[in-house]
Order: sequence, then C-alpha cells, then structure tokens
Amino acid sequence: SAVISQKPSRDICQRGTSLTIQCQVDSQVTMMFWYRQQPGQSLTLIATANQGSEATYESGFVIDKFPISRPNLTFSTLTVSNMSPEDSSIYLCSVEAAYEQYFGPGTRLTVT
Amino acid sequence: QKEVEQDPGPLSVPEGAIVSLNCTYSNSAFQYFMWYRQYSRKGPELLMYTYSSGNKEDGRFTAQVDKSSKYISLFIRDSQPSDSATYLCAMRGNFGNEKLTFGTGTRLTIIP
Repeated sequence: SAVISQKPSRDICQRGTSLTIQCQVDSQVTMMFWYRQQPGQSLTLIATANQGSEATYESGFVIDKFPISRPNLTFSTLTVSNMSPEDSSIYLCSVEAAYEQYFGPGTRLTVT
Repeated sequence: QKEVEQDPGPLSVPEGAIVSLNCTYSNSAFQYFMWYRQYSRKGPELLMYTYSSGNKEDGRFTAQVDKSSKYISLFIRDSQPSDSATYLCAMRGNFGNEKLTFGTGTRLTIIP
C-alpha cells in the first residue's frame, strides 16, 4: 500500500488568487494523479504526473490553469490558478502501487 | 449516457442488514473493477479489487462482477454503523496508461 499526505487540508481563497496543493507519498511511485471531486459528481481526473516529464492533462483541463510539478518520485504539487468560485471542490492526489490506486485525504478548497 | 452509472442514494438500512450496492457500465473493455469507501471529509479508501468476472470475498464484503450484463455489485453482510460512508465503484481496461472511470458514489447510512 501507499500512504499519502496532502497540504493544506482545506483553504478558503479569494477569487483571482492561486493555491498550491502539496502531495507527499511514503514510497517511490512512477505515476501520480490529481483528481477533482465535486458534490454529486464522479471523481474527475485532472492530470497524470510522471517524474521528469510534463504532466498529461485530461480534456477540459489546461496547464495554465492547473500547473503541476513532479520534482521527484515521492512528491508533487498542483496549483489552481486565477481561481473562481467554480473551482471550489475537493482536490485529491492519487498514486498507483502494485496494481492498486490509493488516494490522499484531499484538499477542500472554497473560493469566495 | 455515462460510462459508469451508480445510484447516488441515499440508502439507509438498519444495523445487521445485508446491503447491496450496484454499478452498471457500458464499456465492454473494462476488466478491472474496484470498490472504494469514502468517509466524510476523507479520501477514498480501496475496499475491494476484482479482475474480470466472478466473486471475491473479504470478511463481510463480497464483490461480484457479471461482465455479460456489465453489472457489478458490492454486498455488505451484518452491516455496522461504521459502514456508513459513500461507496464508489471504479473500473478500467488495462493497467499502464489507462485511467480509472468512477461512478458518482452511493451514500450509505447504517441505522443503529
């Protein structure tokens, strides 16, 4: 298994600002994933981050809005840029280990 | 039509009852099927993982996959109040570059 921590656990931000979410894993993993979870909706994959290469974004998500860093095999950040109230959501970091996918506790973001 | 359909509930049952949670899907390429449990304000936790058709049992939990009907189920026997959570089904075709597709989750409450 993999143990994942995220910071911050929650935040309230002003419209137009940016927030960087950190994800730390207790073991080295090749792929890290960032998801968004909105009330009443499925988990939506934002992007996949491999160490040493650019993140791969899903349809509807762009690097300018959600820049991702992956400096090593245990850490990644997701930035939510120029935020609007529509970005209010839970953001989840996830990793794949031994053919199973694990999730962090999430970052609950509210944009006012 | 969504690729994965899951009744969002809410579902309330008395303690000790057998709970049945279900998902249907449309993509016949899906081969790996997962159930996640998500407590309030926590990240999803992998509960059961099944490959292809058949049953898998783990304690009070049984996962069933019927690929011919494109239907998966999670049964919880002797349900406990601690089972109260949102249950998400997830599935994928192959490991590697293929992403998980999630249902919207079923909110379950076990009444003492």
